[in-house]
Formats: sequence, structure tokens, C-alpha cells
Amino acid sequence: DAKTTQPNSMESNEEEPVHLPCNHSTISGTDYIHWYRQLPSQGPEYVIHGLTSNVNNRMASLAIAEDRKSSTLILHRATLRDAAVYYCSRQTGANNLFFGTGTRLTVIP
Amino acid sequence: NAGVTQTPKFQVLKTGQSMTLQCAQDMNHEYMSWYRQDPGMGLRLIHYSVGAGITDQGEVPNGYNVSRSTTEDFPLRLLSAAPSQTSVYFCASSGAASAFFGQGTRLTVV
Repeated sequence: DAKTTQPNSMESNEEEPVHLPCNHSTISGTDYIHWYRQLPSQGPEYVIHGLTSNVNNRMASLAIAEDRKSSTLILHRATLRDAAVYYCSRQTGANNLFFGTGTRLTVIP
Repeated sequence: NAGVTQTPKFQVLKTGQSMTLQCAQDMNHEYMSWYRQDPGMGLRLIHYSVGAGITDQGEVPNGYNVSRSTTEDFPLRLLSAAPSQTSVYFCASSGAASAFFGQGTRLTVV
């Protein structure tokens, strides 16, 4: 989705917080923001989603800007198992997901 | 818990051949979809279905057909494979909060 942009790669030290940014330049008012991650040779795995408010679950936190043009996925303490490609996406009212190009996260021991 | 099952995992086709990628889910989800994943381009929506008997086109539908005769199954058909269809294909089944993806089919068209 050309309207959803992410940095190609990021690095983090193990056990430190990681903030993964995403820009949603033309997101509509009813589109949800979703994040998925993908390990090598596997399908994407759901991480978290939200509409307007910040969200927390056992895996991560999602911070959504007030104008909804950007979001940030926060991993509070990166582990080696968090090394993956992270995709942000927008989910339309028809339930379709439109993905960004993904950020490859490297976790340094 | 099977979730979403895709077959085959790998396939090599010659240009012009046809084949069907199979997808089955056991979560009783109405919504299912197919994506292709190419290097540097993320996942792009090919076709989707909101229930048995209902399908629609996504971002990149050309060269692909789908049908949905049951809630469980959503096959993707390539009628005449082209090298541009070399990709990794993912099927997904979506519930109220999230999508569940299969393990993928790696397709090479030579």
C-alpha cells in the first residue's frame, strides 16, 4: 500500500524498548490500524490493532497519533525472539488489510 | 488447532500451465482473503470473500480466479501461469479482531 510507509530496517539491543514507526498518510476515519509480524518462512502473525486510542496487550503497545496519520508499535523489552519483519496495515470497513512494506527488526544480544 | 491450512507448500509451474492453490480454515470465519508477497513490496491483496458464494477483487486480481462454495474453503486458481506470478502466496481467514494466515505457498513459474 503506497499510502502506508515504514523504515526498511531497525536495530535494538536485547532487553531494551523498541519503537517501530509507521506513517498512514491517507488513512480514513473508519480504517483500523493493525500490526503484524512475520518470522522467516512463516505467515504473518497478528500483534495488535487500534482505531484512535492507544492500546496495550501482552505482546506490545500501540500508540496512535491524534490525527491518525502515524502510529508506533512499542515492544517494551526486545528479546531475540522478537527479531522479525513488522508490518503495519490499515483495515478498511470491508475487512481488507492493506500493508506497508515492513520493517526488519534486528535484536542484538 | 489447525487454523488456516494451505497446500501445496512449494510448486514449480511452466509458463501457461494452470493450477489451484488450496486454502482451508476451521475457525468458521466468514471473511477469507488471498495475498501475494514479493520482495520489497509487502503483502498485496489479490481477492477476498465475505462469505460463501461472495467474492470480490483486491489490489492485484489480474491472472487469478477464486470461488467460495463453502465457509471452510477458498481456493485460488491460476488459469495460465506467467513468470510475473512467481511469488509467495498467503491465505488468511479473519475474525472480529484479527487475521490468521496460513504458512504460505512458494510458487515459481519458469
